[in-house]
Amino acid sequence: SQTIHQWPATLVQPVGSPLSLECTVEGTSNPNLYWYRQAAGRGLQLLFYSVGIGQISSEVPQNLSASRPQDRQFILSSKKLLLSDSGFYLCAWSVRASSPLHFGNGTRLTVT
Amino acid sequence: AQKVTQAQTEISVVEKEDVTLDCVYETRDTTYYLFWYKQPPSGELVFLIRRNSFDEQNEISGRYSWNFQKSTSSFNFTITASQVVDSAVYFCALSEGGSEKLVFGKGTKLTVNP
Repeated sequence: SQTIHQWPATLVQPVGSPLSLECTVEGTSNPNLYWYRQAAGRGLQLLFYSVGIGQISSEVPQNLSASRPQDRQFILSSKKLLLSDSGFYLCAWSVRASSPLHFGNGTRLTVT
Repeated sequence: AQKVTQAQTEISVVEKEDVTLDCVYETRDTTYYLFWYKQPPSGELVFLIRRNSFDEQNEISGRYSWNFQKSTSSFNFTITASQVVDSAVYFCALSEGGSEKLVFGKGTKLTVNP
């Protein structure tokens, strides 16, 4: 069966520090991969998605970037965190377009 | 552009009451998919259902039921005989046909009190 791993679960980082969140999927090949952010208002904002290695689509101009170095690995990064980057970050995968997304447990990021 | 509106920000009910969560969507595509997700306090989003635009049949799964009406662009979710374990934030979402993007509504926080 397929599983998705996301880490760390919680992270407290100072403003201006770098960020790297990692997500890996097991049990499937060539999944679509996604990063969402959920801010305090509870809405889910799509940040990035990827349909293949090295293919990244950005939805919102911001302080973040994403990379997909391997088929089942998706990384969210920042060179310098801002206070506004605080939130709950969720990684997800799907089999194909319009298929259900399956989410990881999320990373709660607090930028201080 | 696609859009999902969940007008109910928070709902509070007493256990065993029935509750309906509203979802209204906007899309110009004739082919699209609608979803419901549950986010319990632990934070992980759990997939509940997917419905495509060509299938307007209502669906029932245990205490859960979904009413899809294209005429009103709505995809409402009803929980019958609610239980405390149903307390969560529920999200409605939309994906246009062939698109990798899933757009979520802002969610409805449901609290079921004993």
